[in-house]
Amino acid sequence: NAGVTQTPKFQVLKTGQSMTLQCAQDMNHEYMSWYRQDPGMGLRLIHYSVGAGITDQGEVPNGYNVSRSTTEDFPLRLLSAAPSQTSVYFCASSWTGQFTEAFFGQGTRLTVV
Amino acid sequence: EDQVTQSPEALRLQEGESSSLNCSYTVSGLRGLFWYRQDPGKGPEFLFTLYSAGEEKEKERLKATLTKKESFLHITAPKPEDSATYLCAVLADSSYKLIFGSGTRLLVRP
Repeated sequence: NAGVTQTPKFQVLKTGQSMTLQCAQDMNHEYMSWYRQDPGMGLRLIHYSVGAGITDQGEVPNGYNVSRSTTEDFPLRLLSAAPSQTSVYFCASSWTGQFTEAFFGQGTRLTVV
Repeated sequence: EDQVTQSPEALRLQEGESSSLNCSYTVSGLRGLFWYRQDPGKGPEFLFTLYSAGEEKEKERLKATLTKKESFLHITAPKPEDSATYLCAVLADSSYKLIFGSGTRLLVRP
């Protein structure tokens, strides 16, 4: 009964470093997405995917890359970390045929120093 | 541009004191409106989906309603365990971009 699993839970990066946030789901959902959550700003969509091999940009895609080689996994890559990317990152998945609800992971708290 | 505004930003209630949270939205065509609950340090947890004006959904002390411009989350006789941030999100027609409001932080005091 794993649902959506994100790793790591916490990460500290130095400015300019790169890293990948992992997201995996075991519900065979076609749709997966990444959000960042900053105080007072709610959740903002970074990138999303409607199926393996298909990705698209959300509201705040700059500085992030994604790929979707399998249905289960949707990693988020930070190319060159900046302090402005300090945030809590959430991955979510859902069905696309009838978009009823999105299941969220527990989040990754990232600090860029 | 699709937009979601939630009010108030924060709400303090006494246990048993009923109230409503508001979610106003602007979207070209509504495919769905979603309510989530988020506890500190956790990911959002799904509560309701509403698809058309006039629709209502209930779960325990919560009731969500929808008009053409806004949605309300009514909380009847709240308990301290209802304390959380409540998030509203919309999905426009022909879109897969779920757009969230900034949330309402609810504190229910015993």
